[in-house]
Order: sequence, then structure tokens, then C-alpha cells
Amino acid sequence: DARVTQTPRHKVTEMGQEVTMRCQPILGHNTVFWYRQTMMQGLELLAYFRNRAPLDDSGMPKDRFSAEMPDATLATLKIQPSEPRDSAVYFCASGFETGYAEAFFGQGTRLTVV
Amino acid sequence: AQSVTQLGSHVSVSEGALVLLRCNYSSSVPPYLFWYVQYPNQGLQLLLKYTTGATLVKGINGFEAEFKKSETSFHLTKPSAHMSDAAEYFCAVSALGNQFYFGTGTSLTVIP
Repeated sequence: DARVTQTPRHKVTEMGQEVTMRCQPILGHNTVFWYRQTMMQGLELLAYFRNRAPLDDSGMPKDRFSAEMPDATLATLKIQPSEPRDSAVYFCASGFETGYAEAFFGQGTRLTVV
Repeated sequence: AQSVTQLGSHVSVSEGALVLLRCNYSSSVPPYLFWYVQYPNQGLQLLLKYTTGATLVKGINGFEAEFKKSETSFHLTKPSAHMSDAAEYFCAVSALGNQFYFGTGTSLTVIP
């Protein structure tokens, strides 16, 4: 059963620390999305990649966030330094580039910055 | 440009009653439309999608949605609500080669 795998599922960290979230997209998918979900803002697109190249990261605070795809099986989202306002659930999703193919979501990483 | 508006952030229905969750979209190109469901502490799961062809789309768990171009709508319905339908529902729009644009979500409560 193909699925998007995100690690860790939960992360509690102190303000100022670096946080790295990882995502393994479904094998064969060439598009990867990072979303952030909060009660106040709902689902926000942070960045997305096609064939490992970043297409749009305009939703991401550039001074502290970075997203990469070192290879086709791994996507990472880093926050350095972390702040309490970064507390949220971060979702990774993968899919095909056609647009009419749905995105498959991981279970999310719940980040708490204290 | 594309966007989605979900009318009603909270909807309550009695068990066995009709479920109607509203979604209106804006798109300058032919849209692809999706409904996702999110259960507590879970990721989003696809309920159904419209790409081309038949405008009435059937999905999982007895849900269906109808694409109405003239009304720019893609409302989600289910004839009879079940307690297990309580969740957050998201409408999304996309287009060929594009990213997904999600609505703000509708929280469905089912009253026994």
C-alpha cells in the first residue's frame, strides 16, 4: 500500500533550535508539496517541487525556512532558528505533475516550539 | 489564478440527515476539483475528484459532488449522515501542471 511517510510524527523543541522534517514521497511521484496547517491560517502551501527542482517557495519565510530534495526519495523541510509561531502541523504530499492527479498526503509532523 | 471558497466553516447535521457542504471556485482555465477529508490527527484523504467528463462524481463513503460550471460550484453531498462522517472537509482546485489551492475547510458535526 503506497503512502507518503513523514518523520518525525511529533517534535517538541526549544526556541532557537534547528528542526528538520523529512518526507518520503510515493515511489514514482514527481511532485512534492509542503503544507503547514494551523487553526488560524488553515492549510498554507510552503513550497513545492517538480522532478526535485523547486517550483514555488513563495509561501515560505526565507530567512528561517529551507526546503530541499536531495534525491527522489527524500524531501526535507528545515527551520533554523525555530520560533514559537512555527508551532503547527506540517504536511508533505506527493503526486504527478498533471494537475488532474490528486495529491497524496502524509500523516504530518506536529511541531511544538516552546 | 485559481481559488476556492467554502461557505460555512462549521456544519451540523443529525445522523441520517442530508449532508451538504458548499464549495465555489474561481479559475481562469478549466479546473480540476477535489474534495478531501481529514480526521483528527490524520493527513488529508481524497474523497473524490472531477477532471473531465461526467459532472456528477461519486466518491468513497457514499459521498458525491456535482460540477456546475455555470454556478462555478462543486458542492459535496451525502444522502444520509453517519457518525463516522464527523471530520474536516476541504475543497481544492487545480489545473494542468498547477499546484493545488485549498479552501479553508468545513468542520462537519454529526448529532446522534
